[in-house]
Amino acid sequence: AQSVTQLGSHVSVSEGALVLLRCNYSSSVPPYLFWYVQYPNQGLQLLLKYTTGATLVKGINGFEAEFKKSETSFHLTKPSAHMSDAAEYFCAVSEGQAGTALIFGKGTTLSVSS
Amino acid sequence: SAVISQKPSRDICQRGTSLTIQCQVDSQVTMMFWYRQQPGQSLTLIATANQGSEATYESGFVIDKFPISRPNLTFSTLTVSNMSPEDSSIYLCSAGQGSGYEQYFGPGTRLTVT
Repeated sequence: AQSVTQLGSHVSVSEGALVLLRCNYSSSVPPYLFWYVQYPNQGLQLLLKYTTGATLVKGINGFEAEFKKSETSFHLTKPSAHMSDAAEYFCAVSEGQAGTALIFGKGTTLSVSS
Repeated sequence: SAVISQKPSRDICQRGTSLTIQCQVDSQVTMMFWYRQQPGQSLTLIATANQGSEATYESGFVIDKFPISRPNLTFSTLTVSNMSPEDSSIYLCSAGQGSGYEQYFGPGTRLTVT
């Protein structure tokens, strides 16, 4: 069965600092991996995705993530945090078949201080 | 990408009543999904809704409690029946399309049961 583990339920950084949100997955087949962001009182917005090909994927708002098969990881990074990045971030995995539902991690709350 | 709207955005309901949540997609999609997000928690899949067939429910969710309709390729409803305070959650609709198998989410329906 697939599963997603997000290490650290809360991450705090200063504005301008590196953002690193950790995600590890378990899957019996090559996974498709996603990061979503949820701002307060809003739905989920897709940040980026990995399906096949290049293992370093770039998303919106300056975020990127690297798929590391040997480490079963898909960590999310951003070189310089902005106050507007404060939100809840969810890592998700699917088995890649059309229409397969996503399995979500528990989420990481990112706080950014000035 | 798909744009998804949900109605109502929020509601306060009395114990024992039912609420139907509507989900509208701006384009035809094969798969639609319903998730529950309890306060401070991650997303849990309730069911997958295919057009022209019965919805597929996840463990712990039953059709009598959460009946779902999918009359066409752009619309679905979820009913929360015989509500109790434990049903207080955010209910999110999503739709899957595109070669990357990502899902796009609606803004959610915030339900409070008193």
